[in-house]
Amino acid sequence: EVQLLESGGGLVQPGGSLRLSCAASGFTFSVYAMSWVRQAPGKGLEWVSGISDRGDSTFYTDSVKGRFTISKDISRNTLYLHMSNLRAEDTALYYCAKARLYTMPGGGFDSWGQGILITVSS
Amino acid sequence: QSVLTQPPSASGTPGQTVTISCSGSSSNIGNNTVNWYQKVPGTAPKLLIYSNNQRPSGVPDRFSGSKSGTSASLAISGLQSENEADYYCAVWDDRLNGLVFGGGTKLTVL
Repeated sequence: EVQLLESGGGLVQPGGSLRLSCAASGFTFSVYAMSWVRQAPGKGLEWVSGISDRGDSTFYTDSVKGRFTISKDISRNTLYLHMSNLRAEDTALYYCAKARLYTMPGGGFDSWGQGILITVSS
Repeated sequence: QSVLTQPPSASGTPGQTVTISCSGSSSNIGNNTVNWYQKVPGTAPKLLIYSNNQRPSGVPDRFSGSKSGTSASLAISGLQSENEADYYCAVWDDRLNGLVFGGGTKLTVL
């Protein structure tokens, strides 16, 4: 059974940094692309960033380029999202999602974590 | 303002068929495959349709997807109260070099 468990969320001040982790199990982590998707309070789903199976290709939505970095540690079966220079509009529930395929766009996300809340506020 | 346009709401009575549209452009729907997700408040999104019209195992055949040109649709037949949820289309956008979601459609079963 595929399991994705996010951690690292919480309250952070504007301009601050945070690192999200997503521990993956139940599948061969090195064979699938992964992504982070967020949902701000009362808003719709927004794709944030994606990474290919081996981690050699990364993609970002425009609003986080230069501030967020996605990475995969295949030896630890863990996906990361390093977030810096955080803004109030980054406040959201962040989901880790497994792609159906090895490379982005991934052919759809067939497994999701339960989400981790990030609140950016002073 | 999403690059994919969905109606904000849709509704139907039990047993009816409801269709949700997703309108895009040549850089996204016109050139890539569409996926659909169901989002129930308080739970993680669920993949309903991938590659325009394919259902993952476990998704009932009451859910179907289609694509024509720069638009896509999700149809739900035999509507049930448990189908009340938000529905999102998603597709890769070649111009943005990223994935985009539609704004979402809130489905109400009357």
